[in-house]
Amino acid sequence: SAVISQKPSRDICQRGTSLTIQCQVDSQVTMMFWYRQQPGQSLTLIATANQGSEATYESGFVIDKFPISRPNLTFSTLTVSNMSPEDSSIYLCSVARDSSEETQYFGPGTRLLVL
Amino acid sequence: AQKVTQAQTEISVVEKEDVTLDCVYETRDTTYYLFWYKQPPSGELVFLIRRNSFDEQNEISGRYSWNFQKSTSSFNFTITASQVVDSAVYFCALSESWYSSASKIIFGSGTRLSIRP
Repeated sequence: SAVISQKPSRDICQRGTSLTIQCQVDSQVTMMFWYRQQPGQSLTLIATANQGSEATYESGFVIDKFPISRPNLTFSTLTVSNMSPEDSSIYLCSVARDSSEETQYFGPGTRLLVL
Repeated sequence: AQKVTQAQTEISVVEKEDVTLDCVYETRDTTYYLFWYKQPPSGELVFLIRRNSFDEQNEISGRYSWNFQKSTSSFNFTITASQVVDSAVYFCALSESWYSSASKIIFGSGTRLSIRP
């Protein structure tokens, strides 16, 4: 499995500000994903980060609120924009080695608290 | 539509007891994958196992075993001789498989397992 790191590991932010979360993988992977886990809840897919093109967002998530970049095969960022307390969650990135690899491996997550 | 149900919200057992975590899924596809992930208090999600829909053999890995039954759409997870380190939230998940692409994973709501010393 790949080694995945996320920065920051946690943050406390003020309402109305934005935070960019980084996800770095130690090897090239085709597929990268971003998930949100609200307090005490399960994981929900936000979007698939596509290298060289716009991310593919799931229903209920929009690019203006969660812009995503994927400049190469080992790195992606997720920005949480204009934050409100409802955005307080754990944000996790996951990777699949290639498009036929069904298993996703997850990063350690970023714990975000919005005041 | 795909759905994963983990009816047990929380389970608490005494160390060394066996415990089974239930998972029931719904899908219209004939080709799909089932997963179990563990989320310890640290928050990271640890992959435990993947099964495809064509492989109904039960699997054992140390103290962990999985029982996949297509007839009842269940993929249950048993921990034998539980240990305090097994305390975590366990997620069952499902993805439908298209041959050429990694698919969206649908997670169950999770079961919080507490092992008391």
